[in-house]
Formats: sequence, C-alpha cells, structure tokens
Amino acid sequence: ELKVEQNPLFLSMQEGKNYTIYCNYSTTSDRLYWYRQDPGKSLESLFVLLSNGAVKQEGRLMASLDTKARLSTLHITAAVHDLSATYFCAVGGTGGFKTIFGAGTRLFVKA
Amino acid sequence: DVKVTQSSRYLVKRTGEKVFLECVQDMDHENMFWYRQDPGLGLRLIYFSYDVKMKEKGDIPEGYSVSREKKERFSLILESASTNQTSMYLCASSLVSSGKTQYFGPGTRLLVL
Repeated sequence: ELKVEQNPLFLSMQEGKNYTIYCNYSTTSDRLYWYRQDPGKSLESLFVLLSNGAVKQEGRLMASLDTKARLSTLHITAAVHDLSATYFCAVGGTGGFKTIFGAGTRLFVKA
Repeated sequence: DVKVTQSSRYLVKRTGEKVFLECVQDMDHENMFWYRQDPGLGLRLIYFSYDVKMKEKGDIPEGYSVSREKKERFSLILESASTNQTSMYLCASSLVSSGKTQYFGPGTRLLVL
C-alpha cells in the first residue's frame, strides 16, 4: 500500500532563510507532485516530477526527486512572506489513476 | 485556463439529510476525483471516475456514492449525512495520461449538525 509522509508538518521560518521540506513514499511510483494551498483556497499545482533525478525550479522553490530513495524534497531559498501556505506532496501509484497525498506542511514565513 | 467549479462553497446540513455536491470542469478531462480534506490527514480520495458512468472506489468510500452522467460533471452524494462527514470536499480533474496534474476546484466546506 502506498503511503506518503511529509515532514515537517509545521514550519515557521524567518524571511531570508533557507529550508527543505521532505516527502517520503513507501512503494515504487512513476510520478510525484507538489501543490500549494493558501488558507481558504484550493490546491494549486507547483511541480510534476516524473523521473529519477528530476529537478524543477520556480522562483524561490526547487523540487527534486530521488526514486531510488523514494524521496522528494522541496527547497525554499531566501523565504519571503508570500510563500506562507500549506505545501502538499502527492504520489501516483504505478500505472494507475490514484494519487496519494501527504498530510501537508504548513509553512509560516515571519516578516 | 482549466476551470473546475463546485456548486457550493459552504453548506450546512442536518444529520440524516441527503446531500449532493456537484463538480463541473470545462477542459474535457477524462478523470475526475472527489477528496475530503481534514486537518493533519491531507487529502483522502473518496471516489474517482475515468469515464462517463465509470467509477472506482478510493480509500474512504463508505457513506458516499457518486454519479457521472456527463463527462464534465461529477457528483458526490452523501446518502444520509452524519456529523463525521463534516469536512472540506475537493473535486479535481485531469487528463487520462499518466503523469498529468490534477486541477482542483475551490472546495465545499460542509458542516453536518
């Protein structure tokens, strides 16, 4: 059974600092997603990672995937207040439609 | 832009009522999904559909049913609402190809009294 674990679940950081959110999953997968959710809003897609070693960057966020370790990271560089949100990773089962979501990381960037 | 809309943002219902949540997408996506979101639990899949009239149970289908009579519309039905179904319900859609991102609706916050 595919399980997805994120950590930390809550992260409070100062503006300008760097930090990494981790996403571990339990079985082989062929795709991994990162989403952002602002309070009271729906989920917005950030990245789709489809192969081992894939790295994608958008602004201050960079996501990477290590399929051998079953680990994805979301690295935040020089955080700004606007990045405050909840970040979810989600993993798709091989060849299937289902996507399993992690519990989410609530990020708060202090100005 | 992909647009996924849900019929209500907020709903208050009484225990035992039948509840309908509707979701419509305008991008001709084959796949549609219903999730519930609870604090600390992430999103949990209730049901998904990969074609009209086709449906598959997700991880927590008990107490729910779904209907997909048209490609663009996917309905979630709570046959007899209970207080433990108080939650945020999110609908999503995606293309059928593996690796395609799911696009989410704004969510319906349901309170069952």
